[in-house]
Amino acid sequence: GAGVSQSPSNKVTEKGKDVELRCDPISGHTALYWYRQSLGQGLEFLIYFQGNSAPDKSGLPSDRFSAERTGGSVSTLTIQRTQQEDSAVYLCASSLQGGAGNTIYFGEGSWLTVV
Amino acid sequence: GQNIDQPTEMTATEGAIVQINCTYQTSGFNGLFWYQQHAGEAPTFLSYNVLDGLEEKGRFSSFLSRSKGYSYLLLKELQMKDSASYLCAVRGPRDYKLSFGAGTTVTVRA
Repeated sequence: GAGVSQSPSNKVTEKGKDVELRCDPISGHTALYWYRQSLGQGLEFLIYFQGNSAPDKSGLPSDRFSAERTGGSVSTLTIQRTQQEDSAVYLCASSLQGGAGNTIYFGEGSWLTVV
Repeated sequence: GQNIDQPTEMTATEGAIVQINCTYQTSGFNGLFWYQQHAGEAPTFLSYNVLDGLEEKGRFSSFLSRSKGYSYLLLKELQMKDSASYLCAVRGPRDYKLSFGAGTTVTVRA
C-alpha cells in the first residue's frame, strides 16, 4: 500500500483481556518496527523484524507482550492480560531495509485504552 | 544506551524562526532523524543527518555536530500548520534502531 497501515485505530479493552494489534507495512519494505508512545513520553522501541532474521525483542516490556511477522509482511503485536499501564499508542513503522540511511516510515498508530 | 534531550515546549509567532535543540549521549552513532508529529497522527519524516553540517530542505533545516552530540532543527517562516511536536531520534550502534527524545511541542501564534 501507499503507507503503513494499522488496525484497529482505537481499542478500548477491559483489564485482563488480550488484545491484538495489526500492522501492514509499506509494500517491499523488509524491516518492520513496533514502538509504543505513552502520553507525554518519547517513542519506546519494542521489537524489530528484518527479513528472515531472528527479531530483536529487546524492547518488549514483559512476557505479556509478543509479536510475530508472517510471510515477511504483516505483523501482529499481542498483549496478554492487559494492564492499565499498557494504555498507549502503539506505532508500527517500516523501512526498505534495516541499515543506516534507511528512513523509517510510521503508521497512524493503534490507540489502546485499558479500563 | 541512548540519552536524548530536547526542550519540552516552544512558542513562536507566525512568520518567525524557531530553533529546536537536541543533545544526545550515545554508545554509538549511525545518524540523527527529525520527525514531525501532529496531535493524533503518525510521526512524519523531516530530515536525516549522518555527517556534520547543515542540511536544508525548504523552510526546514537540520544541523549536526557529532563531536558535540548536538543537533538542531530550524523552522523558518513559521506557519500555523507547523504547530506540532518535533521528535529528535538517534540511530545507535545497532543501526536499525531509533531512540527518540520526548519531543518538543511547538505552538505557532498569530
